[in-house]
Amino acid sequence: DAKTTQPNSMESNEEEPVHLPCNHSTISGTDYIHWYRQLPSQGPEYVIHGLTSNVNNRMASLAIAEDRKSSTLILHRATLRDAAVYYCILRDGNYGQNFVFGPGTRLSVLP
Amino acid sequence: DTGVSQNPRHKITKRGQNVTFRCDPISEHNRLYWYRQTLGQGPEFLTYFQNEAQLEKSRLLSDRFSAERPKGSFSTLEIQRTEQGDSAMYLCASSLAYLPEQYFGPGTRLTVT
Repeated sequence: DAKTTQPNSMESNEEEPVHLPCNHSTISGTDYIHWYRQLPSQGPEYVIHGLTSNVNNRMASLAIAEDRKSSTLILHRATLRDAAVYYCILRDGNYGQNFVFGPGTRLSVLP
Repeated sequence: DTGVSQNPRHKITKRGQNVTFRCDPISEHNRLYWYRQTLGQGPEFLTYFQNEAQLEKSRLLSDRFSAERPKGSFSTLEIQRTEQGDSAMYLCASSLAYLPEQYFGPGTRLTVT
């Protein structure tokens, strides 16, 4: 599976936008980019996913570089509830069934 | 509550004992996954089912581990002759076959003493 690289930790102030980067230089043409987050003492939860175009949903936006070697998860206004570990994961759209999680980025939100 | 449920939430056992965990997926989901997570790491894939068929197993899943989903609904994960290295959070997730999102349960935390 192609690997992703994320910063170990990031900090944000409440109500400010947060940009969480992910590098995936070995991404293949059929790999989808998925983001999950894990709040303390909970299982991971789905945030967003995309292939080539930027994506928006009620939780976040996903900006994908034109060469697809990197992507950015954007939280438009961070709240205290957004403090979590954020995982950027690649999964083959044709063959992949399981997710390969890295250590993720631990996001702290300061009041 | 229509989410994924797991029981028990916590299990403490002595080395060498057998343990079994249960996962109840979201009712219409035909895929079910098991992951293991140790402190400070992301979840690691163990195995997955489509309906009652176990379609993929990780090399992490040693012979002491067995998973079943007999009627394509709930699943059990059994660990025989537990070792201290088995101490971890065991996560279950479910999904629909044609959608990418996996829905995770709260996990079962296993401590082997």
